Amino acid sequence: DADVTQTPRNRITKTGKRIMLECSQTKGHDRMYWYRQDPGLGLRLIYYSFDVKDINKGEISDGYSVSRQAQAKFSLSLESAIPNQTALYFCATSDVGRGSYNEQFFGPGTRLTVL
Amino acid sequence: KNEVEQSPQNLTAQEGEFITINCSYSVGISALHWLQQHPGGGIVSLFMLSSGKKKHGRLIATINIQEKHSSLHITASHPRDSAVYICAVRSSGTYKYIFGTGTRLKVLA
Repeated sequence: DADVTQTPRNRITKTGKRIMLECSQTKGHDRMYWYRQDPGLGLRLIYYSFDVKDINKGEISDGYSVSRQAQAKFSLSLESAIPNQTALYFCATSDVGRGSYNEQFFGPGTRLTVL
Repeated sequence: KNEVEQSPQNLTAQEGEFITINCSYSVGISALHWLQQHPGGGIVSLFMLSSGKKKHGRLIATINIQEKHSSLHITASHPRDSAVYICAVRSSGTYKYIFGTGTRLKVLA
């Protein structure tokens, strides 16, 4: 079974629609992250959460919001989708324990197309 | 200039060739992570290292902290190694990853 899962895997939507991408993990990690990947660019951080009560903006948070419903679940919402939010979205998790190097483990990605 | 630079951006090799992908970074780091992104998009972890060398099967990763450089080597390359290889560094004293833009590798049979 996958340790980090994302739903949906693919989504096509229209400009102005509200979209939610969901991430679940069974790794027992406290830290969770949302990234987006665009062609020719490295992954960029949208939001991150160190625990259920700790949510922080990343470098490109405008137009996005998140919810950490439980340790295992972290959702990303696009309140009003626009075409330049078309991208591949990844959820990741990491542990905070000593020796872990904060290694991040990635979900399979969600391909989002906004028309 | 990006804080993490990978070279080459694209690489085509014949099956069996020895392959080297390079990663240079300009920030202080606590660790460096090599990732593989499959054609379907999923990202898997290959190595995380903070010094020296690690080997797993046909893959070898090295890092030189003084020179701020890491290499990923693939011995006896195979078409199934075709993927995008991503270098990411964890900035010193932070949780943050900084990602390179990836090296697209294609191995021809």
